[in-house]
Amino acid sequence: GAVVSQHPSWVICKSGTSVKIECRSLDFQATTMFWYRQFPKQSLMLMATSNEGSKATYEQGVEKDKFLINHASLTLSTLTVTSAHPEDSSFYICSAVPNPIYEQYFGPGTRLTVT
Amino acid sequence: GQQVMQIPQYQHVQEGEDFTTYCNSSTTLSNIQWYKQRPGGHPVFLIQLVKSGEVKKQKRLTFQFGEAKKNSSLHITATQTTDVGTYFCAGWGGTGNQFYFGTGTSLTVIP
Repeated sequence: GAVVSQHPSWVICKSGTSVKIECRSLDFQATTMFWYRQFPKQSLMLMATSNEGSKATYEQGVEKDKFLINHASLTLSTLTVTSAHPEDSSFYICSAVPNPIYEQYFGPGTRLTVT
Repeated sequence: GQQVMQIPQYQHVQEGEDFTTYCNSSTTLSNIQWYKQRPGGHPVFLIQLVKSGEVKKQKRLTFQFGEAKKNSSLHITATQTTDVGTYFCAGWGGTGNQFYFGTGTSLTVIP
């Protein structure tokens, strides 16, 4: 089956620093990747949609200068949380699709803690 | 605000009882997908429905897409402890063809 990896699985950083999270589709080419944020016992909140080779589309209320997304290849998308603050602490999950109308394959998620 | 609501938010059932979660969208969806997320895990795709009124079955799970393509349901017959998790519906829709995740229903099965 389709496998999506995320790295790192967890990270602790100090307030003011930047953190990069990688999302890779291991056995298929992903035309589209999605980035979500999930708070404990809540649903997934879509942050942005990224298509290979083009700028990401951010959801309303998501700061694009704070959450930098790069989809440099058909198998890799990165999310950089810049100048992280404690309120950015969350579970970040990516998903990848070979075609936007197909099911999404989710990565295992990255737990970010900002101290 | 949230476009796709699910009820109930939480459900506790005795093992062997049936379970149903309902998904209601404020906008027409082109398709409906269902995902299951185990505690501590990530969402895993279960099924996709595309046609109005479509019904699909996977063993003890029955999925239905409403006639107006604005609601859906997931019914589990004779629940087992392995069914524990949060079930999310999701789908594409709206004027900008956005992707919406439902609020989720957390299922606890008491052995």
